[in-house]
Amino acid sequence: SQTIHQWPATLVQPVGSPLSLECTVEGTSNPNLYWYRQAAGRGLQLLFYSVGIGQISSEVPQNLSASRPQDRQFILSSKKLLLSDSGFYLCAWGNLRDHGYTFGSGTRLTVV
Amino acid sequence: DAKTTQPNSMESNEEEPVHLPCNHSTISGTDYIHWYRQLPSQGPEYVIHGLTSNVNNRMASLAIAEDRKSSTLILHRATLRDAAVYYCILRDSGYSTLTFGKGTMLLVSP
Repeated sequence: SQTIHQWPATLVQPVGSPLSLECTVEGTSNPNLYWYRQAAGRGLQLLFYSVGIGQISSEVPQNLSASRPQDRQFILSSKKLLLSDSGFYLCAWGNLRDHGYTFGSGTRLTVV
Repeated sequence: DAKTTQPNSMESNEEEPVHLPCNHSTISGTDYIHWYRQLPSQGPEYVIHGLTSNVNNRMASLAIAEDRKSSTLILHRATLRDAAVYYCILRDSGYSTLTFGKGTMLLVSP
């Protein structure tokens, strides 16, 4: 069965520090991968998606970047965090054979 | 993606059926109707999806109007664990991304 792993679960980082969040998928190949963010009291915002290794599409210009170094690995990064980067970050995968997304358990990031 | 309209919140009592409405008057012929739910402090969870015909699965039923301009997610017997934000989303194929709106917050009372 397919599983998605996301870590860490919670993270507190100072302003100006770097960020690296990792997401890995098991039990499937060639997944579409997605990073979403949910700010406090707000809706889910799609940040990046990837249809293959090295292929990244950015939905919203911001202080973040994404990379896909391997088929089932998706990384969200920042060189210098801002207070406004705080939020709940969710990784998800999907494929073209079915219409459902499977979300990870999320990382709650607090920038202080 | 075409837009959907949902009530901000709904309330239900435990073990009663719940009908969550969604309006999508600008739906196109290739748009699938998706429902996800998000429990507190968790990622969204896929519930059900359909195109034209009504759909049933172990979690819920999806009733789609004949003109496809509205749909209803039906939880046959609400439990406290069903308290969540429910999102109705239109997606034109497996190639497009999911755009989440504000959804409906379902409150379930014992």
